[in-house]
Amino acid sequence: QKEVEQDPGPLSVPEGAIVSLNCTYSNSAFQYFMWYRQYSRKGPELLMYTYSSGNKEDGRFTAQVDKSSKYISLFIRDSQPSDSATYLCAMEERGSTLGRLYFGRGTQLTVWP
Amino acid sequence: DVKVTQSSRYLVKRTGEKVFLECVQDMDHENMFWYRQDPGLGLRLIYFSYDVKMKEKGDIPEGYSVSREKKERFSLILESASTNQTSMYLCASSSFYGYTFGSGTRLTVV
Repeated sequence: QKEVEQDPGPLSVPEGAIVSLNCTYSNSAFQYFMWYRQYSRKGPELLMYTYSSGNKEDGRFTAQVDKSSKYISLFIRDSQPSDSATYLCAMEERGSTLGRLYFGRGTQLTVWP
Repeated sequence: DVKVTQSSRYLVKRTGEKVFLECVQDMDHENMFWYRQDPGLGLRLIYFSYDVKMKEKGDIPEGYSVSREKKERFSLILESASTNQTSMYLCASSSFYGYTFGSGTRLTVV
């Protein structure tokens, strides 16, 4: 079983919709949680970073972590066509000195006008 | 603006060739990584390095080697390219707040 599970989609929504992207994990040592956005033919870029349970908001994006359920989410409000991309969740273990991240497989999102 | 630069965006190589993929970062990061990304399989870690001349195998090191002679440069080497190594290759360096990725090299082995 892969350590980080992410539904690959694809997910297709109309402009203005609320999007929910999710990942589950099995390793209780994961303490740092990230979301990356990857546009077609580009490298992933860091979108959100959090290390505690609860919500973190940045503009139209909200990252949610529930460590008791080993479940993280990314919500996108008022989605735009420019949000069309692949979204990858990533996690790092507590005490890691090598900085290795464990990635989900990514969810492909299309927002149509 | 901090950067991770991969020397080539697209490469086409022949089976059996030795292939070098170069990656340079300007952030003075100690940790650097090489991934390959394939549809349906996501990002898979090939090798990583936590210091000059130090390297660690990732999840799929077979058929690859790496070189880190200087802190800012991390090279991925395909000793004898094969068609199953056709993929997108991504280099990254890491800080406390996660990875910075390069734009990727799309390698096709024919």
